[in-house]
Amino acid sequence: QSALTQPASVSGSPGQSITISCTGTSSDVGSYGLVSWYQQFPGNAPKLIIYDVSKRPSGVSTRFSGSRTGNTASLTISRLQAEDEADYYCCSYAGSTVFVVFGGGTKLTV
Amino acid sequence: EVQLMQSGAAVKKPGESLKISCQVSGYSFTSYWIGWVRQMPGKGLEWMAIIYPYDSDTKYSPSFQGQITISVDKSINTVYLQWSSLKASDSGMYYCARGDTAARGWFDPWGQGTLVTVSS
Repeated sequence: QSALTQPASVSGSPGQSITISCTGTSSDVGSYGLVSWYQQFPGNAPKLIIYDVSKRPSGVSTRFSGSRTGNTASLTISRLQAEDEADYYCCSYAGSTVFVVFGGGTKLTV
Repeated sequence: EVQLMQSGAAVKKPGESLKISCQVSGYSFTSYWIGWVRQMPGKGLEWMAIIYPYDSDTKYSPSFQGQITISVDKSINTVYLQWSSLKASDSGMYYCARGDTAARGWFDPWGQGTLVTVSS
């Protein structure tokens, strides 16, 4: 099972919006509405920020939103802040055998 | 508060065995899946295995099947990840993370990580 495809890096200025794409296949992203996104700061464990494509866990800023079209999921961060600078990973359920597959990660520079 | 506390860093030689642990607290241990995720230095996240503590149902990534063993001790709310013969390529950071009740693929929260170094 190949990893999901994410851009290696994206950048934006404070106050702007950015979108990170996550491209999979009809066996993962395209089949299940079970895409999650994680934020990871250097030296820290990942943190769940989006699950089930577009749901936010309690405490996660409303500036983070998720969507999916076909085999591609997207994470949008609006009103960028310097504190958003981190690595972001997507993850999709891929059936009972493979279970999940992660994207390669995207480094966001603000 | 849900907490996942992992065992400390380990330094091993190739061929040695290792068992790292993840002790959880703050919720019903047997009701949620718990998984292990590897992150090699400077690289991305790779799902390895997941277990349902209630009945020890397990799933392994095809990439790690046969290389590792996931297990659970319900008496002390702890999940383990075990290698019988380490390789240098097993070096990396290993995270445990709580899944949901139905293994739908997301993980929250995560442990602090256990750094494994395998070197001769």
